[in-house]
Amino acid sequence: DAGVTQSPTHLIKTRGQQVTLRCSPKSGHDTVSWYQQALGQGPQFIFQYYEEEERQRGNFPDRFSGHQFPNYSSELNVNALLLGDSALYLCASSLKPSTDTQYFGPGTRLTVL
Amino acid sequence: KQEVTQIPAALSVPEGENLVLNCSFTDSAIYNLQWFRQDPGKGLTSLLLIQSSQREQTSGRLNASLDKSSGRSTLYIAASQPGDSATYLCAVRSRGGATNKLIFGTGTLLAVQP
Repeated sequence: DAGVTQSPTHLIKTRGQQVTLRCSPKSGHDTVSWYQQALGQGPQFIFQYYEEEERQRGNFPDRFSGHQFPNYSSELNVNALLLGDSALYLCASSLKPSTDTQYFGPGTRLTVL
Repeated sequence: KQEVTQIPAALSVPEGENLVLNCSFTDSAIYNLQWFRQDPGKGLTSLLLIQSSQREQTSGRLNASLDKSSGRSTLYIAASQPGDSATYLCAVRSRGGATNKLIFGTGTLLAVQP
């Protein structure tokens, strides 16, 4: 049983570019949450997707957007990249938005130069 | 606004020592509190989850306690081993939200010296 998978593992972009990160939830899970973890910090909630809709959003600008597909996988898009967007982006999946048990993926390390 | 703080930021202990990691939160209206482990550059592994109605949870050499009224939790690690070296994060799920959004502390970086 595959856990949460994320791609790519690492990514290097330059300021102003756009990036798309991908997440496949654990088998049987229908809810995906995205977190941003800057170096030396704890993860911060970006948003959550369920039934292909954004259900809750953290304190992130509109440059951060997402999508959930019918197979429950999800994408995180970041436009007009800033140096401060450099971070580890974590995806977590769960069965329903209110379920306590969440599984985290290995993350995508984004570096913005 | 819920804020989570972890002390100390870093800790180095010799192998075999018992240790305590601390976590505090500002709003006691929580559903639960979780402790996670994170190895360098990796994702998070859930260690223990304590519901707001519980006082503690145990798993092997780990014991987590929760005092909701004072906004504090501790993670006790018995007989530490070099393999315990990692960053330990605590996170709360606050009441009032419709999702399982977690609010994390900044973590404690633990090094267990052989």
